Amino acid sequence: DIVMTQSPDSLAVSLGERATINCKSSQSVLYNSNDKTYLSWYQQKLGQPPKLLIYWASTRASGVPDRFSASGSGTDFTLTISSVQAEDVAVYYCHQYYAIPRTFGQGTKVEIK
Amino acid sequence: QVQLVESGGGVVQPGRSLRLSCVVSGFTFSNYGMHWVRLAPGKGLQWVAVISHVATNEYYEESVKGRFTISRDNSKNTLYLQMNSLRPEDTAVYYCVKDHYYDSSGWLDHWGQGIPVTVSS
Repeated sequence: DIVMTQSPDSLAVSLGERATINCKSSQSVLYNSNDKTYLSWYQQKLGQPPKLLIYWASTRASGVPDRFSASGSGTDFTLTISSVQAEDVAVYYCHQYYAIPRTFGQGTKVEIK
Repeated sequence: QVQLVESGGGVVQPGRSLRLSCVVSGFTFSNYGMHWVRLAPGKGLQWVAVISHVATNEYYEESVKGRFTISRDNSKNTLYLQMNSLRPEDTAVYYCVKDHYYDSSGWLDHWGQGIPVTVSS
């Protein structure tokens, strides 16, 4: 199984500041035949289902504010919130769709300082 | 718009069975793979099972293999999860989730609201 490890487990950020979440996979999720990276990011607010933020490691989903960006390749990935807003309080998960079983990171809780 | 509505959850004793249903609308159900993902109390998201668009392929997380069965009825726009021999560690909110592709090789682009399942004596 591909193990996804996020860091940190939680972070507290002041409004308007940058938040950075890291995700590391135990093996590459780059599919060489199509040069696509099978990594997505989700936001889950309290009491709500997860919401897709990013797919193909760096492509923002429709309607996602541009303060959310993501990067990375191979096994190391980053989700950045450039200017944290109150509505960004949530748990964020990375997810690999390269292989079965699908796996998620353990989640990173973002709070306001 | 895309909607996924789960039902069938509740409280059940260990060793008993439960069947979850998910009725979808707003997209052509038979064109997409579908998943079940769960969120246990105090834990993170865990993928449970997937089924391809015409049920040719299905796969399971190791801890539910042999106990859970994913299925679909494309004529009824409905996804199912039959859960047998339930254990306390199966306690979670279960989400019905749409895959971006027909063969279930894509990201999880739409999620239901979730249905709680509690396994307790």
